[in-house]
Amino acid sequence: NAGVTQTPKFQVLKTGQSMTLQCAQDMNHEYMSWYRQDPGMGLRLIHYSVGAGITDQGEVPNGYNVSRSTTEDFPLRLLSAAPSQTSVYFCASSSIGGTFGEAFFGQGTRLTVV
Amino acid sequence: QKEVEQDPGPLSVPEGAIVSLNCTYSNSAFQYFMWYRQYSRKGPELLMYTYSSGNKEDGRFTAQVDKSSKYISLFIRDSQPSDSATYLCAPTVRPSYDKVIFGPGTSLSVIP
Repeated sequence: NAGVTQTPKFQVLKTGQSMTLQCAQDMNHEYMSWYRQDPGMGLRLIHYSVGAGITDQGEVPNGYNVSRSTTEDFPLRLLSAAPSQTSVYFCASSSIGGTFGEAFFGQGTRLTVV
Repeated sequence: QKEVEQDPGPLSVPEGAIVSLNCTYSNSAFQYFMWYRQYSRKGPELLMYTYSSGNKEDGRFTAQVDKSSKYISLFIRDSQPSDSATYLCAPTVRPSYDKVIFGPGTSLSVIP
């Protein structure tokens, strides 16, 4: 059982380049989300989705796009990378309904924008 | 004032010590309180979850919520080197992860 898989693990981009961070989960979770983690800031929610075809903005959505065409995949696109987007990005998934439970996180993508 | 605050540490303790990790918050509407543990270069994983005030115990770990003081604590008894990690408190108003606020975390190092 792979859980939540993120690729790539590391990436260096030049300012202005675009890229897609991939996230896949095999737990049939309805809810998926993207966070960025910066020193002293905690995890901040970028975008989230409650099911295929449904996405919404979190706390820090600017400069990022998402789509959810399947239950399993939730890619995050950086449109035009900026040094301020240097961070560690985590994808997470959880089930909706029933008892409030755990969010499962991927291993993270360390992104540096130069 | 940040909505959720934690002392970043690092907190360094000898093996076997009792550890107290603390978190303060400003939103009195928080009802659900979680502690996530994050090992270096890994994603966070849920350690404990409590609803409203009171204590909850799970093995060597005890979570305590004092809503009157807006204060959350995590106690670790008989600490082990494997407990060395960053601990994130994560309260929420309602049981939905789009509303969870993650604290910045406290780094703990347990020395053998």
